Amino acid sequence: AAGVIQSPRHLIKEKRETATLKCYPIPRHDTVYWYQQGPGQDPQFLISFYEKMQSDKGSIPDRFSAQQFSDYHSELNMSSLELGDSALYFCASSLRAYEQYFGPGTRLTVT
Amino acid sequence: EDQVTQSPEALRLQEGESSSLNCSYTVSGLRGLFWYRQDPGKGPEFLFTLYSAGEEKEKERLKATLTKKESFLHITAPKPEDSATYLCAGSFSGGGADGLTFGKGTHLIIQP
Repeated sequence: AAGVIQSPRHLIKEKRETATLKCYPIPRHDTVYWYQQGPGQDPQFLISFYEKMQSDKGSIPDRFSAQQFSDYHSELNMSSLELGDSALYFCASSLRAYEQYFGPGTRLTVT
Repeated sequence: EDQVTQSPEALRLQEGESSSLNCSYTVSGLRGLFWYRQDPGKGPEFLFTLYSAGEEKEKERLKATLTKKESFLHITAPKPEDSATYLCAGSFSGGGADGLTFGKGTHLIIQP
């Protein structure tokens, strides 16, 4: 079965640079969620989109923004990167608001 | 504030030794209780969703149950490949595509 696709899988950036993470949901899923997981931490919800509209917002820094496009893929844009932004970033998708299926994640390292 | 608390933080079992993991949650506004398995460096893998007290779901050696205050993940005769971190998460009333609130997880090790 098709799963959530995330790209890139690994990303290394320097402080103050920008990064763009991409997420392709499971086909026919209309909802996308973004989570951040620091080392040894549980996933923290950042933001979600349903039918291309922002639906829920968690602990997303103002330096981050996201959107969902007409083909339902989503992008998380991160600016003015800080060392503390180093983490695994997961995208999840669902059909409406039911079970969320997670992608493999993007490991972001800020040096 | 919506909260999900898991116990124990870590559990070491012998192969074949059954046990249960606990997840307690803020009672008000729970829309759904989710269990995930996470291997190191990988995305959480969906296991179960429970929506109402008394509900039970099973998959292979795993069985999830839900009461009015907590959920249990029972592992029967575990094998070494069941070693992972098990995450409990709640979806609380928000009217839309709510983000999940995760517990800290239980790190399970099954020794051969």
